[in-house]
Amino acid sequence: EVQLVESGGGLVQPGGSLRLSCAASGFTFSSYWMSWVRQAPGKGLEWVANIKQDGSEKYYVDSVKGRFTISRDNAKNSLYLQMNSLRAEDTAVYYCAREGPDIYSYGHEALDYWGQGTLVTVSS
Amino acid sequence: DIQMTQSPSSLSASVGDRVTITCRASQSISSYLNWYQQKPGKAPKLLIYAASSLQSGVPSRFSGSGSGTDFTLTISSLQPEDFATYYCQQSYSTPPTFGPGTKVDIK
Repeated sequence: EVQLVESGGGLVQPGGSLRLSCAASGFTFSSYWMSWVRQAPGKGLEWVANIKQDGSEKYYVDSVKGRFTISRDNAKNSLYLQMNSLRAEDTAVYYCAREGPDIYSYGHEALDYWGQGTLVTVSS
Repeated sequence: DIQMTQSPSSLSASVGDRVTITCRASQSISSYLNWYQQKPGKAPKLLIYAASSLQSGVPSRFSGSGSGTDFTLTISSLQPEDFATYYCQQSYSTPPTFGPGTKVDIK
């Protein structure tokens, strides 16, 4: 069974930093692109970043470029999101998601499995 | 970035009703369109990928169609567990973008 479990959320002051983690199990983690998606309270879904299987390619939504860094450790089956210079508008539930179901040779995948999310609150 | 719109933004329906939700992209996205269901306090769940392919384990009352810029999600006979918010998402280009959602509630 595919499982994704996020951790690391919490309350942080504006300008602060936080590192989110996502522990993956039930599939060959190193074979999949992985994404972070966030949802502000009462709002819709916003894709944040993704990373290729070997970590050689990373992409970000414009609003977090230069502030957030996605990374992965395939030996630990783990995905990370380092968030710096946090702003009030970064307040959201952050989900990690697997890109699948792996029907394309490159890109274009949906998000076929999601974690339960971890809440990040940026407030003074 | 590709903009996604959905209509309606909300709808009220009864158990057994046929429900159709529309999603439109700001440019052609071929068939790189996915649909998700989200219930309050829960993570989104993939229903349909590649515009019309049913994700494993998803009931056959859900179906998707369309290509280019216009897509639809149809629930053939609404069940009590289907009351939720539905999102479309394009995976044609980066950044992948979501529609604003359609909330389906009980009439």
